[in-house]
Amino acid sequence: DQQVKQNSPSLSVQEGRISILNCDYTNSMFDYFLWYKKYPAEGPTFLISISSIKDKNEDGRFTVFLNKSAKHLSLHIVPSQPGDSAVYFCAASFSGSQGNLIFGKGTKLSVKP
Amino acid sequence: DGGITQSPKYLFRKEGQNVTLSCEQNLNHDAMYWYRQDPGQGLRLIYYSQIVNDFQKGDIAEGYSVSREKKESFPLTVTSAQKNPTAFYLCASTIARGAGELFFGEGSRLTVL
Repeated sequence: DQQVKQNSPSLSVQEGRISILNCDYTNSMFDYFLWYKKYPAEGPTFLISISSIKDKNEDGRFTVFLNKSAKHLSLHIVPSQPGDSAVYFCAASFSGSQGNLIFGKGTKLSVKP
Repeated sequence: DGGITQSPKYLFRKEGQNVTLSCEQNLNHDAMYWYRQDPGQGLRLIYYSQIVNDFQKGDIAEGYSVSREKKESFPLTVTSAQKNPTAFYLCASTIARGAGELFFGEGSRLTVL
């Protein structure tokens, strides 16, 4: 059973607009969440993270929101740029998991000029 | 520059052959991981190692083997027992146990002919 779910396999957004990528999780033990960005045939690169003691973390154009009661997090990219086109993976872990991350299946973002 | 180096980037193998994928890091990280990615799938954990001479099975360890003789190196052997070995393999590391971001290598694509 998937513990981390990204229900939208793809998302298309116009350049300059906001991109919102969603992620749901089932395990209430998760206390640390991360977003990774991946280009084809490359390794994922870390984008932004959030601890469960926060509900928002911002880094430049990227903001992650965490709603613990709904077991939901989202990544906002604003403004979106064509270079943001990639697959975005949501990942989660919990203290005592020895650093193992549980990944969602990813959402492919396409930003059109 | 510090980082994680995976080799080879592309590898072809005949059925019934074992193949070893190399992963080397110079980040002085304690923990190292092997993930597998299939099209439309998230990253699934094969094996991980928190310390030299110790490693643990992940979610899909069957048909794979690893060793951790040096802190810097964590090679993965895909054996002939692996039923569906064609995939993109990613090695990662992190500085310490517990929750935290993983740093990934560029990946190795294995194709079984």
